[in-house]
Amino acid sequence: EPEVTQTPSHQVTQMGQEVILRCVPISNHLYFYWYRQILGQKVEFLVSFYNNEISEKSEIFDDQFSVERPDGSNFTLKIRSTKLEDSAMYFCASADRLDTGELFFGEGSRLTVL
Amino acid sequence: LAKTTQPISMDSYEGQEVNITCSHNNIATNDYITWYQQFPSQGPRFIIQGYKTKVTNEVASLFIPADRKSSTLSLPRVSLSDTAVYYCLVRWNRDDKIIFGKGTRLHILP
Repeated sequence: EPEVTQTPSHQVTQMGQEVILRCVPISNHLYFYWYRQILGQKVEFLVSFYNNEISEKSEIFDDQFSVERPDGSNFTLKIRSTKLEDSAMYFCASADRLDTGELFFGEGSRLTVL
Repeated sequence: LAKTTQPISMDSYEGQEVNITCSHNNIATNDYITWYQQFPSQGPRFIIQGYKTKVTNEVASLFIPADRKSSTLSLPRVSLSDTAVYYCLVRWNRDDKIIFGKGTRLHILP
Protein backbone atom coordinates (compact mmCIF):
# COMPACT_ATOMS: atom_id res chain seq x y z
CA GLU A 1 0.00 0.00 0.00
CA PRO A 2 1.42 3.43 -0.94
CA GLU A 3 2.53 5.52 1.99
CA VAL A 4 3.97 8.91 2.86
CA THR A 5 7.56 8.62 4.02
CA GLN A 6 9.45 11.15 6.11
CA THR A 7 13.10 11.63 6.94
CA PRO A 8 14.76 11.93 9.32
CA SER A 9 12.73 10.14 11.95
CA HIS A 10 14.51 12.13 14.64
CA GLN A 11 16.76 15.16 14.43
CA VAL A 12 18.53 16.94 17.24
CA THR A 13 19.80 20.43 16.51
CA GLN A 14 21.15 23.47 18.27
CA MET A 15 19.06 26.59 18.59
CA GLY A 16 19.64 28.91 15.66
CA GLN A 17 20.52 26.15 13.22
CA GLU A 18 18.67 25.51 9.98
CA VAL A 19 16.74 22.27 9.65
CA ILE A 20 15.23 20.63 6.59
CA LEU A 21 12.62 17.94 7.03
CA ARG A 22 11.90 15.79 4.03
CA CYS A 23 8.79 14.04 2.84
CA VAL A 24 7.96 11.82 -0.08
CA PRO A 25 4.19 12.04 -0.62
CA ILE A 26 2.18 9.33 -2.33
CA SER A 27 3.06 9.51 -5.99
CA ASN A 28 -0.24 10.51 -7.63
CA HIS A 29 -1.25 12.96 -4.91
CA LEU A 30 -1.67 16.64 -5.64
CA TYR A 31 -2.16 18.24 -2.24
CA PHE A 32 0.60 18.40 0.35
CA TYR A 33 0.63 19.46 3.97
CA TRP A 34 2.82 19.99 6.98
CA TYR A 35 1.50 19.74 10.51
CA ARG A 36 3.27 19.80 13.83
CA GLN A 37 2.44 18.36 17.23
CA ILE A 38 4.15 19.53 20.36
CA LEU A 39 4.36 16.72 22.91
CA GLY A 40 1.01 16.19 24.60
CA GLN A 41 -0.77 18.79 22.50
CA LYS A 42 -3.01 18.78 19.46
CA VAL A 43 -2.03 18.43 15.82
CA GLU A 44 -1.49 21.95 14.44
CA PHE A 45 -1.84 22.90 10.78
CA LEU A 46 1.20 24.67 9.35
CA VAL A 47 0.79 24.87 5.60
CA SER A 48 -0.88 23.38 2.54
CA PHE A 49 0.65 23.28 -0.91
CA TYR A 50 -0.94 22.73 -4.29
CA ASN A 51 0.12 23.35 -7.86
CA ASN A 52 3.61 24.38 -6.76
CA GLU A 53 2.51 27.08 -4.41
CA ILE A 54 1.29 27.58 -0.87
CA SER A 55 -2.51 27.49 -0.78
CA GLU A 56 -3.05 28.06 2.94
CA LYS A 57 -0.84 28.72 5.93
CA SER A 58 -1.36 29.24 9.62
CA GLU A 59 -0.08 32.01 11.86
CA ILE A 60 2.56 29.57 13.08
CA PHE A 61 4.05 29.43 9.59
CA ASP A 62 6.03 32.66 9.79
CA ASP A 63 9.09 33.82 7.89
CA GLN A 64 11.24 31.21 9.63
CA PHE A 65 9.42 28.46 7.74
CA SER A 66 9.42 27.63 4.07
CA VAL A 67 8.29 24.73 1.93
CA GLU A 68 9.49 23.48 -1.38
CA ARG A 69 8.77 20.76 -3.87
CA PRO A 70 12.18 20.64 -5.54
CA ASP A 71 11.40 17.75 -7.84
CA GLY A 72 8.50 15.49 -8.70
CA SER A 73 8.69 13.45 -5.53
CA ASN A 74 10.01 15.37 -2.52
CA PHE A 75 8.25 17.95 -0.36
CA THR A 76 10.42 19.72 2.20
CA LEU A 77 9.90 21.92 5.22
CA LYS A 78 12.75 24.24 6.14
CA ILE A 79 13.07 26.01 9.45
CA ARG A 80 15.62 28.75 8.98
CA SER A 81 16.75 29.45 12.52
CA THR A 82 15.33 26.98 15.00
CA LYS A 83 14.02 28.02 18.40
CA LEU A 84 13.49 25.89 21.47
CA GLU A 85 9.74 26.06 20.94
CA ASP A 86 10.11 24.46 17.50
CA SER A 87 10.73 21.13 19.24
CA ALA A 88 7.84 18.96 18.11
CA MET A 89 6.81 16.09 15.88
CA TYR A 90 6.37 17.28 12.33
CA PHE A 91 3.95 15.38 10.13
CA CYS A 92 3.76 15.51 6.38
CA ALA A 93 0.51 14.55 4.68
CA SER A 94 -0.77 14.27 1.14
CA ALA A 95 -4.09 13.82 -0.62
CA ASP A 96 -5.20 13.11 -4.16
CA ARG A 97 -8.43 15.08 -3.75
CA LEU A 98 -10.10 17.29 -1.17
CA ASP A 99 -13.70 16.11 -1.20
CA THR A 100 -13.09 12.80 0.58
CA GLY A 101 -11.51 14.57 3.56
CA GLU A 102 -8.81 11.90 3.63
CA LEU A 103 -5.25 12.97 4.22
CA PHE A 104 -2.53 10.36 4.31
CA PHE A 105 0.00 11.12 7.01
CA GLY A 106 3.60 10.05 7.35
CA GLU A 107 5.11 8.65 10.51
CA GLY A 108 6.54 12.02 11.45
CA SER A 109 9.92 13.59 12.09
CA ARG A 110 10.74 14.37 15.69
CA LEU A 111 12.69 17.60 16.00
CA THR A 112 14.51 18.36 19.23
CA VAL A 113 16.04 21.83 19.56
CA LEU A 114 18.62 22.24 22.30
CA LEU B 1 -14.54 27.13 10.32
CA ALA B 2 -17.13 25.36 12.45
CA LYS B 3 -16.03 24.85 16.04
CA THR B 4 -16.31 21.34 17.41
CA THR B 5 -16.71 20.15 20.98
CA GLN B 6 -16.00 16.57 22.02
CA PRO B 7 -15.23 14.85 25.34
CA ILE B 8 -11.65 15.20 26.49
CA SER B 9 -11.45 11.54 27.40
CA MET B 10 -13.44 8.32 27.60
CA ASP B 11 -12.84 4.87 29.02
CA SER B 12 -14.42 1.66 27.82
CA TYR B 13 -13.82 -2.09 27.93
CA GLU B 14 -12.80 -4.57 25.32
CA GLY B 15 -15.71 -5.94 23.35
CA GLN B 16 -17.96 -2.95 24.03
CA GLU B 17 -19.39 -0.58 21.47
CA VAL B 18 -18.02 2.92 21.93
CA ASN B 19 -19.85 6.05 20.84
CA ILE B 20 -18.03 9.38 20.74
CA THR B 21 -20.22 12.40 20.19
CA CYS B 22 -19.05 15.66 18.68
CA SER B 23 -21.04 18.92 18.80
CA HIS B 24 -20.82 21.38 15.92
CA ASN B 25 -23.68 23.81 16.41
CA ASN B 26 -22.60 26.27 13.72
CA ILE B 27 -21.98 23.77 10.96
CA ALA B 28 -22.55 25.29 7.52
CA THR B 29 -24.59 23.83 4.69
CA ASN B 30 -21.51 22.85 2.70
CA ASP B 31 -19.57 21.40 5.62
CA TYR B 32 -18.72 17.73 5.95
CA ILE B 33 -17.91 15.85 9.15
CA THR B 34 -14.70 13.86 9.22
CA TRP B 35 -13.15 11.69 11.92
CA TYR B 36 -9.51 10.79 12.39
CA GLN B 37 -7.70 8.45 14.77
CA GLN B 38 -4.21 8.99 16.15
CA PHE B 39 -2.09 6.43 17.96
CA PRO B 40 0.82 7.62 20.12
CA SER B 41 3.83 8.76 18.09
CA GLN B 42 2.01 8.26 14.79
CA GLY B 43 0.32 10.56 12.32
CA PRO B 44 -3.47 10.82 12.29
CA ARG B 45 -5.35 8.28 10.22
CA PHE B 46 -8.63 8.94 8.43
CA ILE B 47 -11.56 6.91 9.72
CA ILE B 48 -14.74 8.14 8.09
CA GLN B 49 -16.52 11.14 6.58
CA GLY B 50 -20.20 11.92 6.23
CA TYR B 51 -22.66 14.67 5.41
CA LYS B 52 -25.96 13.43 6.81
CA THR B 53 -27.75 10.34 8.15
CA LYS B 54 -25.50 7.33 8.48
CA VAL B 55 -22.23 6.26 6.92
CA THR B 56 -20.59 2.91 7.60
CA ASN B 57 -17.29 1.41 6.59
CA GLU B 58 -15.23 -1.52 7.76
CA VAL B 59 -13.90 0.41 10.74
CA ALA B 60 -16.73 2.53 12.11
CA SER B 61 -20.14 4.07 11.64
CA LEU B 62 -20.96 7.76 11.67
CA PHE B 63 -24.41 8.91 12.71
CA ILE B 64 -25.52 12.42 11.83
CA PRO B 65 -28.97 13.68 12.89
CA ALA B 66 -31.12 15.73 10.58
CA ASP B 67 -30.07 19.08 12.09
CA ARG B 68 -26.40 18.11 11.66
CA LYS B 69 -25.47 19.98 14.85
CA SER B 70 -23.78 16.90 16.23
CA SER B 71 -22.38 13.60 15.06
CA THR B 72 -21.54 10.31 16.72
CA LEU B 73 -18.67 8.05 15.81
CA SER B 74 -19.49 4.47 16.69
CA LEU B 75 -16.74 1.86 17.09
CA PRO B 76 -18.16 -1.68 17.32
CA ARG B 77 -16.58 -4.20 19.68
CA VAL B 78 -13.46 -2.27 20.58
CA SER B 79 -10.17 -3.90 21.44
CA LEU B 80 -7.13 -2.67 23.37
CA SER B 81 -5.62 -1.54 20.08
CA ASP B 82 -8.40 1.03 19.65
CA THR B 83 -6.84 3.08 22.44
CA ALA B 84 -6.09 6.35 20.65
CA VAL B 85 -7.10 9.97 20.26
CA TYR B 86 -10.14 10.51 18.03
CA TYR B 87 -10.61 13.83 16.27
CA CYS B 88 -13.83 15.26 14.90
CA LEU B 89 -13.36 17.79 12.11
CA VAL B 90 -15.95 19.90 10.32
CA ARG B 91 -14.98 21.50 7.05
CA TRP B 92 -16.16 22.51 3.63
CA ASN B 93 -15.08 19.66 1.39
CA ARG B 94 -13.11 21.99 -0.90
CA ASP B 95 -11.24 23.57 1.99
CA ASP B 96 -7.51 23.04 1.85
CA LYS B 97 -6.97 24.05 5.47
CA ILE B 98 -7.82 21.00 7.57
CA ILE B 99 -7.78 21.85 11.25
CA PHE B 100 -7.66 19.38 14.13
CA GLY B 101 -9.18 20.10 17.52
CA LYS B 102 -8.13 18.63 20.84
CA GLY B 103 -9.77 15.28 20.21
CA THR B 104 -11.10 12.61 22.56
CA ARG B 105 -8.59 10.37 24.26
CA LEU B 106 -10.17 6.91 24.27
CA HIS B 107 -8.73 4.38 26.68
CA ILE B 108 -9.80 0.76 26.29
CA LEU B 109 -9.46 -1.40 29.37
CA PRO B 110 -9.13 -5.20 29.42
